[in-house]
Amino acid sequence: SQQGEEDPQALSIQEGENATMNCSYKTSINNLQWYRQNSGRGLVHLILIRSNEREKHSGRLRVTLDTSKKSSSLLITASRAADTASYFCATDARIKAAGNKLTFGGGTRVLVKP
Amino acid sequence: EAGVTQFPSHSVIEKGQTVTLRCDPISGHDNLYWYRRVMGKEIKFLLHFVKESKQDESGMPNNRFLAERTGGTYSTLKVQPAELEDSGVYFCASSPGGGGYEQYFGPGTRLTVT
Repeated sequence: SQQGEEDPQALSIQEGENATMNCSYKTSINNLQWYRQNSGRGLVHLILIRSNEREKHSGRLRVTLDTSKKSSSLLITASRAADTASYFCATDARIKAAGNKLTFGGGTRVLVKP
Repeated sequence: EAGVTQFPSHSVIEKGQTVTLRCDPISGHDNLYWYRRVMGKEIKFLLHFVKESKQDESGMPNNRFLAERTGGTYSTLKVQPAELEDSGVYFCASSPGGGGYEQYFGPGTRLTVT
């Protein structure tokens, strides 16, 4: 299996409900990043959480990180139709001090129904 | 501030032809990354530039792919000759520094090889 696997693969909720998706990874990480991709568009950076952080908030987004379980979760509260997108976690597989490549999971497709 | 831009947005070529993709990073970002997503697969790292130098090209699939970043500004990714399995979306990202920084992605170039 791949580094940075998301669960579930797809999620369908009603507007106003919360959406939770999880990401598991295998190796030690420097940080973990969540991205959103609307259909046919580029990746939008949502949150970066470092390995020494356990929780981070940004607006309606809440990210947790459990390095002992090698897992992270993304919670979207009070979802809106505009939140319909694919969400990806990406781990920072640090190799050299000068920069990091990201390793992505397969993503979670979220559908928010009006 | 302008984001990462990529050109073209979509390219359709025949097997055996050559295609060159271009990426303009955010001004001042020394780190530039190329990724791609082929149908049904995860987004995969291709290579990483720091200024004009290739820092990590471990993700380049084979020698049909050539990336350059002359002058440390924009980058090009040439595929020559293109094969059917090269079809997918090619993303470029940039970041202002090395480890621990968010990567800002462009909208991607959708490459279709027929």
